[in-house]
Amino acid sequence: QSVLSQPPSESGTPGQRVTISCSGSNSNIGSKNVYWYQQLPGTAPKVLIQRNDQRPSGVPERFSGSKSGTSAALAISGLRSEDEADYYCAAWDDSLSGPLFGTGTKVTVL
Amino acid sequence: EVQVVESGGGLEQPGRSLRLSCAASGFNFHVFAMSWVRQAPGKGLEWISLIRSRPYGGTTEYAASVRGRFTISRDDSKSIAYLQMNSLKTEDTAVYYCATGAWPLEDWGQGTLVTVSS
Repeated sequence: QSVLSQPPSESGTPGQRVTISCSGSNSNIGSKNVYWYQQLPGTAPKVLIQRNDQRPSGVPERFSGSKSGTSAALAISGLRSEDEADYYCAAWDDSLSGPLFGTGTKVTVL
Repeated sequence: EVQVVESGGGLEQPGRSLRLSCAASGFNFHVFAMSWVRQAPGKGLEWISLIRSRPYGGTTEYAASVRGRFTISRDDSKSIAYLQMNSLKTEDTAVYYCATGAWPLEDWGQGTLVTVSS
């Protein structure tokens, strides 16, 4: 069964840089675009990064995405209190014939 | 402005059925796929089903966890997608989100809570 693995939690102080990793396989990240979703407490997820490294309009430049092989990463530079949220990587999975979400990472601003 | 609004959630007993609705507006519903994603309490996101638009055959896909129990459908005349949930299990307890598209999932509703408990 396909899985996109993320660390359960990451934390940093305001202004620091935080990086979230996402590890998959050839049936998902290795052959498909990666998306990152941000879910603020009590709200629905929203697209933060699309097609590996592209920010939708309105997303601050301090959010950036990257992909290499079967892994991807989301970096948050200049961490702010409003960045406290759950972050999910996601990609289409050929084995699932549907989208596969990562296990999720909770970011805490200390 | 795209709007997606889920309804139909509530408390239901194991083995019973429930139908969720997803009313959409602000875009050409009939040419877009629609999807359902759920999130169990305190857990992550799980994609469960999608239905393609009629121009793409209107075909459906399901996650293994719900295949054979859940059925997704759509009424393009009303811009509504449905999720018929049969043989409910306690592990189906979750917030159910409707979202536009098959992939990526761009616009999401606020979700509707389904609780399966005796």
